[in-house]
Amino acid sequence: QKEVEQNSGPLSVPEGAIASLNCTYSDRGSQSFFWYRQYSGKSPELIMFIYSNGDKEDGRFTAQLNKASQYVSLLIRDSQPSDSATYLCAVDYNQGGKLIFGQGTELSVKP
Amino acid sequence: DAGVTQSPTHLIKTRGQQVTLRCSPISGHKSVSWYQQVLGQGPQFIFQYYEKEERGRGNFPDRFSARQFPNYSSELNVNALLLGDSALYLCASSLDPGGRSPLHFGNGTRLTVT
Repeated sequence: QKEVEQNSGPLSVPEGAIASLNCTYSDRGSQSFFWYRQYSGKSPELIMFIYSNGDKEDGRFTAQLNKASQYVSLLIRDSQPSDSATYLCAVDYNQGGKLIFGQGTELSVKP
Repeated sequence: DAGVTQSPTHLIKTRGQQVTLRCSPISGHKSVSWYQQVLGQGPQFIFQYYEKEERGRGNFPDRFSARQFPNYSSELNVNALLLGDSALYLCASSLDPGGRSPLHFGNGTRLTVT
């Protein structure tokens, strides 16, 4: 059973701080990793994808991948109240485009 | 450009009934996938279609079926509805079925079974 694990939260950070969201996965052969943001009652929105070990930055967002530790994270710098949402980690195990999602981490950014 | 469009947005059905959900992918996207998301959980994979052929099926009963049309739009059908089928049904499209082509989700169809 392939699994993706996330802390459900809620994770609460003050406005302007760095929010760190973590995800572990069970299949060492996984190649593609995605972070989605989901506001309450809305559909998931793609934020970042990462395929190689290391960091990938896009604006205030940085995705970090460590395949040896089977760990992927998302850092949000200068967190804003509008970042308050559930963040979903997703893994494509066999490059077939079928994603396994974690249960999501709820982030709350307090003004 | 229009994103992934799904219809209807909300649906209320009674146990035992059948439902059809519809999805139009982003222009140029040839792969469509369906996911079920129950409250408090991440989306769960149901089907993937590419070029009108089923490329993958998740752990769902045969009551769930889908198809893709020549214009790449797709339908998800669920027969003999159960209370547990109440969920947000998400359609996602991508350029191709490979893992390097990110999925883009539509706004979903909220199905309530009473």
